[in-house]
Amino acid sequence: DTGVSQDPRHKITKRGQNVTFRCDPISEHNRLYWYRQTLGQGPEFLTYFQNEAQLEKSRLLSDRFSAERPKGSFSTLEIQRTEQGDSAMYLCASSLGTVGLAGVYNEQFFGPGTRLTVL
Amino acid sequence: AQTVTQSQPEMSVQEAETVTLSCTYDTSESDYYLFWYKQPPSRQMILVIRQEAYKQQNATENRFSVNFQKAAKSFSLKISDSQLGDAAMYFCAFRQYGGGADGLTFGKGTHLIIQP
Repeated sequence: DTGVSQDPRHKITKRGQNVTFRCDPISEHNRLYWYRQTLGQGPEFLTYFQNEAQLEKSRLLSDRFSAERPKGSFSTLEIQRTEQGDSAMYLCASSLGTVGLAGVYNEQFFGPGTRLTVL
Repeated sequence: AQTVTQSQPEMSVQEAETVTLSCTYDTSESDYYLFWYKQPPSRQMILVIRQEAYKQQNATENRFSVNFQKAAKSFSLKISDSQLGDAAMYFCAFRQYGGGADGLTFGKGTHLIIQP
């Protein structure tokens, strides 16, 4: 399968624990995005990377959230001291962005998501 | 900041009929992209159709077409000859053009039911 993959697909944790999710983008894609989708809502943008650089962060990304993409390939999203309000589907997407042409359209391809339940 | 509003939480249509999903948005930008994404149950989100704001011609992809009214900030999706496989959540999304911002802003979605 050459699409975006996410691991794990489901995660159940207790409040206060730390969790980490992984996203593997489509291999030639240089941009990677994280979104959060709560029940009954549309996805909300969290952050995105171009190669290893984190270029944009939403105000939704609190201090407890950190995302990395150290080698410009896969990315991890860590949530520290989880709260019940963190329960959501965390979606990853990737695209082939044109460096230096920020406005140019680049289709975002989404992964299946990681469903987090905080008890 | 931009907002996207989908006022129809759920729509139902008979198989082979036509259905229109509504979307309005608010932005101060003049150049942007609009999208419709489909999210089938337990499956990943896929792009259905996109529209560039600078284009006056409405986008069309096979049975899917849009009615883009820039002045009214309206962007509806028409699905012709509805099929059972069209059943899904449909999300309208906005992306500004340039400025380094590449994240999508989504509406809350419309649940489309196809009745056989």
